[in-house]
Amino acid sequence: AQTVTQSQPEMSVQEAETVTLSCTYDTSENNYYLFWYKQPPSRQMILVIRQEAYKQQNATENRFSVNFQKAAKSFSLKISDSQLGDTAMYFCAFMNPLNNAGNMLTFGGGTRLMVKP
Amino acid sequence: ETGVTQSPTHLIKTRGQQVTLRCSSQSGHNTVSWYQQALGQGPQFIFQYYREEENGRGNFPPRFSGLQFPNYSSELNVNALELDDSALYLCASSLGRGVGGGYTFGSGTRLTVV
Repeated sequence: AQTVTQSQPEMSVQEAETVTLSCTYDTSENNYYLFWYKQPPSRQMILVIRQEAYKQQNATENRFSVNFQKAAKSFSLKISDSQLGDTAMYFCAFMNPLNNAGNMLTFGGGTRLMVKP
Repeated sequence: ETGVTQSPTHLIKTRGQQVTLRCSSQSGHNTVSWYQQALGQGPQFIFQYYREEENGRGNFPPRFSGLQFPNYSSELNVNALELDDSALYLCASSLGRGVGGGYTFGSGTRLTVV
């Protein structure tokens, strides 16, 4: 079974600065997907960024980028120019498309990010 | 394009009772997945429905059951409620079983069992 670990329960950053959230995972699969989701107080999970394991290039979405280290099974999220609206819970998630259990997402325990003015 | 709608938003039930949670999928999506998120934890996969049939199931007991209707909306039913069932229940819809992601989540139903 796959596991996802987020070792930072809470983090804080000053507005306009850069912060990196850590995620490690464990799998024996070679082809899979990794995600970062944001969960604000509204409770809705919002996709921040997605990485396909067979792509060596790190994914980027505006101020959000990842550092994907496949051999180390590490998938960190970097948020540049942090904004107050980035304050939320952030979850790292793993998907194995060959899993018979319905393309399930396996989530980490989350990191609470506070952006301070 | 409408998103995923879940009802009710909050619910309080007594231990031993039964509950039904509802989810309307995003327009054009034919797959619905349900997740349980206990307080302070990440969501855990309950099951997925694709074209009205269960397409996969996580490590949850049979008292957690579901349905998907021809319009792709879905219900999650929990029988014989236990205190540990208190959680946020999230519904996510996708097109074609959600391979590679592409899920749209609802805002969840907060269930409290007393």
